[in-house]
Amino acid sequence: EPEVTQTPSHQVTQMGQEVILRCVPISNHLYFYWYRQILGQKVEFLVSFYNNEISEKSEIFDDQFSVERPDGSNFTLKIRSTKLEDSAMYFCASSVRDYQETQYFGPGTRLLVL
Amino acid sequence: AQSVTQPDIHITVSEGASLELRCNYSYGATPYLFWYVQSPGQGLQLLLKYFSGDTLVQGIKGFEAEFKRSQSSFNLRKPSVHWSDAAEYFCAVDPIKAAGNKLTFGGGTRVLVKP
Repeated sequence: EPEVTQTPSHQVTQMGQEVILRCVPISNHLYFYWYRQILGQKVEFLVSFYNNEISEKSEIFDDQFSVERPDGSNFTLKIRSTKLEDSAMYFCASSVRDYQETQYFGPGTRLLVL
Repeated sequence: AQSVTQPDIHITVSEGASLELRCNYSYGATPYLFWYVQSPGQGLQLLLKYFSGDTLVQGIKGFEAEFKRSQSSFNLRKPSVHWSDAAEYFCAVDPIKAAGNKLTFGGGTRVLVKP
C-alpha cells in the first residue's frame, strides 16, 4: 500500500541554523500539507500546497518557514533560522483531489532545537 | 468558537474490555470527521472517516465510530481491546469539506491497556 515517507526521522540542530525536512507524498496525490505537534500539545496545521502554490497557511507559518516541491516527488519544509520553540514533531500529509478528501500522514520528523 | 474536543486526556482499560473515546465538535454545519491513531514513535494512521450516509462507520483494527448529529459527537469504540491498541487517538475535522483544506485536531486521548 502506498505511503507517505519522511526523512530524516530525527534531527537535532542548533538555534539559528537552517533545517530542511523532506517528504515524499503518495505518488498520485496532488495536495500536500505540513502539520506539527509540539510535545504534549495538539497537532497543528502549518501549510497546504497545491499546483506549486501555497493554498493556505496558518499564523504559525511565518517568514521563517517555506515549502517547496523541487521535483516530481519531494515536498520540503524549510525553517530558515530555527528557534527553541520550533522543537516539535513535523508531519507531512498528502491527499488526492477529491470531494471526499482523506489526508494520509507520514511517520513524522522529530526536530530538536538546542 | 469552532473547536474539536476530546474530553478524556487519558483512559486506562483492561485487555479484552470495551473502549469508547469521545469526540465533540462545535461547527455550524456537520464537518467531515476522522479518527487517527498514533502509536508510540509512529505517525498518524487513519482509523476511519465519516463524510455522509450511514452514521455508524467501520474502520480498521476492529474500530467503529458513531456520528450523532444531535450531540455533535463522533465517538470511537472497540468491543474488545488488545494490548497493541495502546496509543494516542486523535479526532479531527474538516469543516470546509473540500479538497486541500486543513484538518483541525482534538487534543488526543492516550489509551493505556492493562494486562
